[in-house]
Amino acid sequence: DQQVKQNSPSLSVQEGRISILNCDYTNSMFDYFLWYKKYPAEGPTFLISISSIKDKNEDGRFTVFLNKSAKHLSLHIVPSQPGDSAVYFCAAPSGSARQLTFGSGTQLTVLP
Amino acid sequence: NAGVTQTPKFRILKIGQSMTLQCTQDMNHNYMYWYRQDPGMGLKLIYYSVGAGITDKGEVPNGYNVSRSTTEDFPLRLELAAPSQTSVYFCASEGGEQYFGPGTRLTVT
Repeated sequence: DQQVKQNSPSLSVQEGRISILNCDYTNSMFDYFLWYKKYPAEGPTFLISISSIKDKNEDGRFTVFLNKSAKHLSLHIVPSQPGDSAVYFCAAPSGSARQLTFGSGTQLTVLP
Repeated sequence: NAGVTQTPKFRILKIGQSMTLQCTQDMNHNYMYWYRQDPGMGLKLIYYSVGAGITDKGEVPNGYNVSRSTTEDFPLRLELAAPSQTSVYFCASEGGEQYFGPGTRLTVT
C-alpha cells in the first residue's frame, strides 16, 4: 500500500518555464511533508517542507502547495533552470522515530 | 563537518557472501536510518535507531542486521547476500530534517 504516490515518473520542461511536480498521499495522519532532490550518484538533499497547518510555503524559486482535502501536494519551480534537473521525491514522516515514507520520485529534465 | 559518510561507494558481492556497510555522522544526531532504493522506486526503510543501543526494524528488514554502539556509527550488515539485495543503500541521520550520505551501490551476482 503506497501511502505517498508520485504518479509521473518523468517531466521535461523548457528553461525559464514553470515546473510542477505532484504528489498524492493516503494517510490522513501525515501532518508534515518534505521534498527532496537527488542528483545521480549522490544522496537525497532536503529542498523544502510544509506543515499541514499551512497551504503554501515558499523558498526562493521553490513553492510547495498543500491541498489537505484532496490529499495532494505540489512543488512549483519558477523559473526552471538546467541545474534543477534531478529526481524529486516527496516524503512524509511517521512513526515514533520520524522515519520517512517516500514517493517513487519524478525525474525532472530542464531543457536549455 | 563531514555530515553523513558511507563506505564503500561500490561493492560487488557473490551470492552467499557477507559484508558490512559503514555509516558515520558527525552531527551528534540521535536518530539514524538505513534505506534502500531500487530502480524507479522510492527509498524504503530497512532499519532505524533512536540512539546508541536502540534499533528497530523498518519496512524491509529481512536479510539485514544493524547495531548502534555509538552515537556516530550505524553499520548495516548483510549476511548471505542474495540477488534481491542488489540496490543502492543510503544512510541518514535526523536533526530537524534527514541528512543523507552519498550511498553505497551494491551488486550481488
